Amino acid sequence: SQKIEQNSEALNIQEGKTATLTCNYTNYSPAYLQWYRQDPGRGPVFLLLIRENEKEKRKERLKVTFDTTLKQSLFHITASQPADSATYLCALVYNQGGKLIFGQGTELSVKP
Amino acid sequence: IAGITQAPTSQILAAGRRMTLRCTQDMRHNAMYWYRQDLGLGLRLIHYSNTAGTTGKGEVPDGYSVSRANTDDFPLTLASAVPSQTSVYFCASSDSFRRSSYNEQFFGPGTRLTVL
Repeated sequence: SQKIEQNSEALNIQEGKTATLTCNYTNYSPAYLQWYRQDPGRGPVFLLLIRENEKEKRKERLKVTFDTTLKQSLFHITASQPADSATYLCALVYNQGGKLIFGQGTELSVKP
Repeated sequence: IAGITQAPTSQILAAGRRMTLRCTQDMRHNAMYWYRQDLGLGLRLIHYSNTAGTTGKGEVPDGYSVSRANTDDFPLTLASAVPSQTSVYFCASSDSFRRSSYNEQFFGPGTRLTVL
């Protein structure tokens, strides 16, 4: 069965630095991959997605890459701020409109 | 209502009791989902519904049932709760039939359920 792995350890970085979170998967590549943000006590919020034929996607300070050879997606937050502190989830989708398979999430803490 | 609402916010339940978690969306999305979130395991799909009147099983459906009588509501029922069903439950919806959709999901605030 498909497995998704995100850094299980929390990521602690200094304000202003770039945060990089990793999402690795096994077996076959998804049609696209989504990233969500989850704050404590709240539901996940969709941030952005990248399709398998895209290498990189940007949205403001966020950047996502998708390497189907390495079976990996990287999620970058540039010029990080304490308000970026949250848990970030990646999710794989294998066909348009299909169900999501979520990773367990990585907690990011940005210190002032 | 704006988006998705869930009720109750939290509940403590005795084992063996029946419980229904409520979920309502006002976005007219065709698809709705129930997930449970447990520490270290991430979000796991329990049941889903692609349209009103249809439902399907997800990864962990045992002990749970759902119904989708209309577009807006998608209740999740635990017929006889067990301690292993202690978790945080999230309802979500998506406009998966939209031509440009990549199934971005909108989540409710969650229900924290404790079964003793």
